[in-house]
Amino acid sequence: NAGVTQTPKFQVLKTGQSMTLQCAQDMNHNSMYWYRQDPGMGLRLIYYSASEGTTDKGEVPNGYNVSRLNKREFSLRLESAAPSQTSVYFCASSEEFKRGEKLFFGSGTQLSVL
Amino acid sequence: AQTVTQSQPEMSVQEAETVTLSCTYDTSENNYYLFWYKQPPSRQMILVIRQEAYKQQNATENRFSVNFQKAAKSFSLKISDSQLGDTAMYFCAFTEWGSQGNLIFGKGTKLSVKP
Repeated sequence: NAGVTQTPKFQVLKTGQSMTLQCAQDMNHNSMYWYRQDPGMGLRLIYYSASEGTTDKGEVPNGYNVSRLNKREFSLRLESAAPSQTSVYFCASSEEFKRGEKLFFGSGTQLSVL
Repeated sequence: AQTVTQSQPEMSVQEAETVTLSCTYDTSENNYYLFWYKQPPSRQMILVIRQEAYKQQNATENRFSVNFQKAAKSFSLKISDSQLGDTAMYFCAFTEWGSQGNLIFGKGTKLSVKP
Protein backbone atom coordinates (compact mmCIF):
# COMPACT_ATOMS: atom_id res chain seq x y z
CA ASN A 1 0.00 0.00 0.00
CA ALA A 2 1.26 3.46 -0.88
CA GLY A 3 -0.80 5.13 1.86
CA VAL A 4 -1.17 8.86 1.18
CA THR A 5 0.49 10.12 -1.98
CA GLN A 6 1.05 13.80 -2.71
CA THR A 7 2.20 15.42 -5.92
CA PRO A 8 4.31 17.34 -6.64
CA LYS A 9 6.98 17.06 -3.94
CA PHE A 10 8.50 20.45 -4.75
CA GLN A 11 7.15 23.49 -6.59
CA VAL A 12 8.27 27.05 -7.21
CA LEU A 13 5.69 29.63 -8.26
CA LYS A 14 5.72 33.30 -9.05
CA THR A 15 3.35 35.61 -7.22
CA GLY A 16 -0.05 35.49 -8.86
CA GLN A 17 0.35 32.08 -10.47
CA SER A 18 -2.09 29.30 -9.73
CA MET A 19 -1.56 25.64 -9.04
CA THR A 20 -3.26 22.55 -7.67
CA LEU A 21 -1.72 20.17 -5.16
CA GLN A 22 -2.91 16.63 -5.60
CA CYS A 23 -3.50 14.06 -2.88
CA ALA A 24 -4.69 10.46 -3.11
CA GLN A 25 -5.09 7.74 -0.50
CA ASP A 26 -5.51 4.03 -1.08
CA MET A 27 -6.71 3.03 2.40
CA ASN A 28 -10.42 3.52 1.72
CA HIS A 29 -10.52 6.32 4.30
CA ASN A 30 -13.56 8.53 4.55
CA SER A 31 -11.91 11.70 5.83
CA MET A 32 -9.12 13.78 4.32
CA TYR A 33 -7.27 16.92 5.40
CA TRP A 34 -4.90 19.59 4.17
CA TYR A 35 -2.37 21.13 6.58
CA ARG A 36 0.43 23.63 6.15
CA GLN A 37 3.67 23.70 8.12
CA ASP A 38 5.68 26.89 8.43
CA PRO A 39 9.24 27.10 9.81
CA GLY A 40 9.32 26.75 13.58
CA MET A 41 5.61 25.99 13.68
CA GLY A 42 3.44 22.98 14.02
CA LEU A 43 0.87 22.05 11.41
CA ARG A 44 -2.22 24.17 10.87
CA LEU A 45 -5.41 22.88 9.27
CA ILE A 46 -6.41 24.56 6.01
CA TYR A 47 -9.45 22.52 4.90
CA TYR A 48 -10.88 19.13 5.57
CA SER A 49 -13.37 16.73 4.06
CA ALA A 50 -15.21 14.64 6.62
CA SER A 51 -16.66 12.41 3.92
CA GLU A 52 -16.97 12.24 0.16
CA GLY A 53 -19.01 15.19 -1.07
CA THR A 54 -18.33 17.49 1.89
CA THR A 55 -15.62 20.05 2.59
CA ASP A 56 -15.17 22.52 5.44
CA LYS A 57 -12.78 25.29 6.43
CA GLY A 58 -10.09 24.76 8.97
CA GLU A 59 -7.97 27.26 10.86
CA VAL A 60 -6.29 29.00 7.90
CA PRO A 61 -8.48 28.67 4.75
CA ASN A 62 -7.95 32.09 3.17
CA GLY A 63 -6.38 31.95 -0.28
CA TYR A 64 -7.17 28.28 -0.83
CA ASN A 65 -9.89 26.14 -2.35
CA VAL A 66 -10.35 22.39 -2.19
CA SER A 67 -12.14 19.68 -4.12
CA ARG A 68 -13.00 16.21 -2.89
CA LEU A 69 -12.95 14.61 -6.32
CA ASN A 70 -13.95 11.16 -5.08
CA LYS A 71 -13.34 9.05 -2.01
CA ARG A 72 -9.64 8.66 -2.85
CA GLU A 73 -8.67 12.14 -3.96
CA PHE A 74 -8.62 15.55 -2.29
CA SER A 75 -6.96 18.47 -4.06
CA LEU A 76 -5.87 21.88 -2.80
CA ARG A 77 -5.83 24.86 -5.16
CA LEU A 78 -4.05 28.17 -4.87
CA GLU A 79 -5.80 30.54 -7.27
CA SER A 80 -3.35 33.44 -6.99
CA ALA A 81 -0.25 32.46 -5.06
CA ALA A 82 1.28 34.89 -2.57
CA PRO A 83 4.68 34.79 -0.82
CA SER A 84 2.83 34.19 2.48
CA GLN A 85 1.78 30.83 1.08
CA THR A 86 5.37 29.61 0.97
CA SER A 87 5.16 26.55 3.17
CA VAL A 88 5.22 22.77 3.30
CA TYR A 89 1.79 21.32 2.62
CA PHE A 90 0.66 18.00 4.03
CA CYS A 91 -2.31 15.92 3.06
CA ALA A 92 -3.66 13.44 5.59
CA SER A 93 -6.48 10.94 5.85
CA SER A 94 -8.31 9.07 8.57
CA GLU A 95 -10.69 6.15 8.58
CA GLU A 96 -13.55 8.16 10.02
CA PHE A 97 -14.17 11.72 11.07
CA LYS A 98 -14.03 11.18 14.80
CA ARG A 99 -12.13 12.90 17.54
CA GLY A 100 -8.98 11.09 18.40
CA GLU A 101 -8.79 9.29 15.06
CA LYS A 102 -5.29 8.42 13.86
CA LEU A 103 -4.16 10.52 10.90
CA PHE A 104 -2.03 9.11 8.10
CA PHE A 105 0.12 11.73 6.41
CA GLY A 106 1.68 12.11 3.02
CA SER A 107 5.32 13.16 2.67
CA GLY A 108 4.49 16.78 1.90
CA THR A 109 4.83 19.32 -0.88
CA GLN A 110 7.41 22.08 -0.42
CA LEU A 111 6.04 25.19 -2.10
CA SER A 112 7.99 28.41 -2.63
CA VAL A 113 6.24 31.53 -3.92
CA LEU A 114 8.61 34.19 -5.21
CA ALA B 1 -8.00 29.58 22.58
CA GLN B 2 -6.46 26.17 22.81
CA THR B 3 -2.68 26.11 22.75
CA VAL B 4 0.04 23.50 22.88
CA THR B 5 3.47 24.47 24.19
CA GLN B 6 6.69 22.56 23.72
CA SER B 7 9.33 24.39 25.71
CA GLN B 8 12.37 22.50 24.38
CA PRO B 9 13.21 23.54 20.80
CA GLU B 10 16.12 21.09 20.64
CA MET B 11 17.37 18.14 22.65
CA SER B 12 20.03 15.52 22.28
CA VAL B 13 20.56 12.11 23.85
CA GLN B 14 23.14 9.39 23.64
CA GLU B 15 22.16 6.16 21.96
CA ALA B 16 20.61 3.66 24.41
CA GLU B 17 19.80 6.35 26.97
CA THR B 18 16.39 7.72 28.00
CA VAL B 19 15.04 11.14 27.10
CA THR B 20 11.85 12.99 28.03
CA LEU B 21 10.19 15.60 25.83
CA SER B 22 7.86 18.09 27.49
CA CYS B 23 4.45 19.31 26.39
CA THR B 24 1.82 21.43 28.10
CA TYR B 25 -1.55 22.44 26.75
CA ASP B 26 -4.37 24.74 27.62
CA THR B 27 -8.03 23.86 27.45
CA SER B 28 -11.19 24.35 29.46
CA GLU B 29 -12.65 21.08 28.20
CA ASN B 30 -12.70 17.83 30.10
CA ASN B 31 -12.74 15.44 27.16
CA TYR B 32 -9.96 15.50 24.62
CA TYR B 33 -7.18 13.52 22.98
CA LEU B 34 -3.43 14.06 23.05
CA PHE B 35 -0.88 12.82 20.54
CA TRP B 36 2.82 12.69 19.87
CA TYR B 37 3.79 12.71 16.20
CA LYS B 38 7.29 12.09 14.85
CA GLN B 39 8.61 13.82 11.74
CA PRO B 40 11.88 12.30 10.52
CA PRO B 41 14.03 13.92 7.81
CA SER B 42 11.83 12.21 5.24
CA ARG B 43 9.20 14.76 6.34
CA GLN B 44 6.32 12.31 6.72
CA MET B 45 4.44 12.68 10.01
CA ILE B 46 4.03 9.42 11.90
CA LEU B 47 1.85 8.86 14.96
CA VAL B 48 3.95 7.72 17.92
CA ILE B 49 1.40 7.50 20.70
CA ARG B 50 -2.10 8.64 21.63
CA GLN B 51 -3.74 9.33 24.98
CA GLU B 52 -7.44 9.72 25.77
CA ALA B 53 -7.99 12.27 28.52
CA TYR B 54 -10.62 10.21 30.32
CA LYS B 55 -8.18 7.33 30.74
CA GLN B 56 -6.00 7.69 33.80
CA GLN B 57 -3.57 5.01 32.70
CA ASN B 58 -0.59 6.35 30.77
CA ALA B 59 -0.30 5.10 27.19
CA THR B 60 2.72 3.04 26.13
CA GLU B 61 3.97 1.85 22.75
CA ASN B 62 7.09 -0.29 22.99
CA ARG B 63 9.93 2.11 23.90
CA PHE B 64 7.63 5.12 23.99
CA SER B 65 5.52 6.08 26.97
CA VAL B 66 3.78 9.19 28.21
CA ASN B 67 3.36 10.86 31.56
CA PHE B 68 -0.12 12.37 31.43
CA GLN B 69 -0.88 14.78 34.25
CA LYS B 70 -4.40 16.02 33.59
CA ALA B 71 -4.60 18.49 36.46
CA ALA B 72 -1.30 20.06 35.43
CA LYS B 73 -2.23 19.86 31.71
CA SER B 74 1.05 18.17 31.01
CA PHE B 75 1.78 15.40 28.50
CA SER B 76 5.44 14.40 28.29
CA LEU B 77 6.93 11.71 26.06
CA LYS B 78 9.59 9.36 27.34
CA ILE B 79 11.76 7.49 24.87
CA SER B 80 13.68 4.60 26.40
CA ASP B 81 16.72 2.91 24.89
CA SER B 82 17.06 5.69 22.29
CA GLN B 83 18.02 4.61 18.81
CA LEU B 84 19.59 6.53 15.94
CA GLY B 85 16.33 6.16 14.03
CA ASP B 86 14.58 8.19 16.72
CA THR B 87 16.31 11.32 15.42
CA ALA B 88 13.42 13.54 14.27
CA MET B 89 11.16 16.46 15.07
CA TYR B 90 8.56 15.51 17.65
CA PHE B 91 5.24 17.31 17.75
CA CYS B 92 2.75 17.25 20.57
CA ALA B 93 -0.84 17.68 19.38
CA PHE B 94 -4.25 18.01 20.96
CA THR B 95 -7.86 17.80 19.86
CA GLU B 96 -10.93 18.56 21.88
CA TRP B 97 -13.99 16.37 21.88
CA GLY B 98 -16.00 19.00 20.06
CA SER B 99 -13.29 20.38 17.79
CA GLN B 100 -14.58 18.89 14.55
CA GLY B 101 -11.40 16.98 14.10
CA ASN B 102 -8.96 19.88 14.17
CA LEU B 103 -5.60 18.99 15.66
CA ILE B 104 -3.71 21.78 17.45
CA PHE B 105 0.04 21.25 17.16
CA GLY B 106 2.94 22.52 19.24
CA LYS B 107 5.99 23.99 17.53
CA GLY B 108 8.00 20.82 17.91
CA THR B 109 11.16 19.57 19.58
CA LYS B 110 14.13 18.56 17.45
CA LEU B 111 15.65 15.41 18.95
CA SER B 112 19.11 14.23 17.96
CA VAL B 113 20.28 10.79 19.02
CA LYS B 114 24.07 10.61 19.08
CA PRO B 115 26.08 7.41 18.64
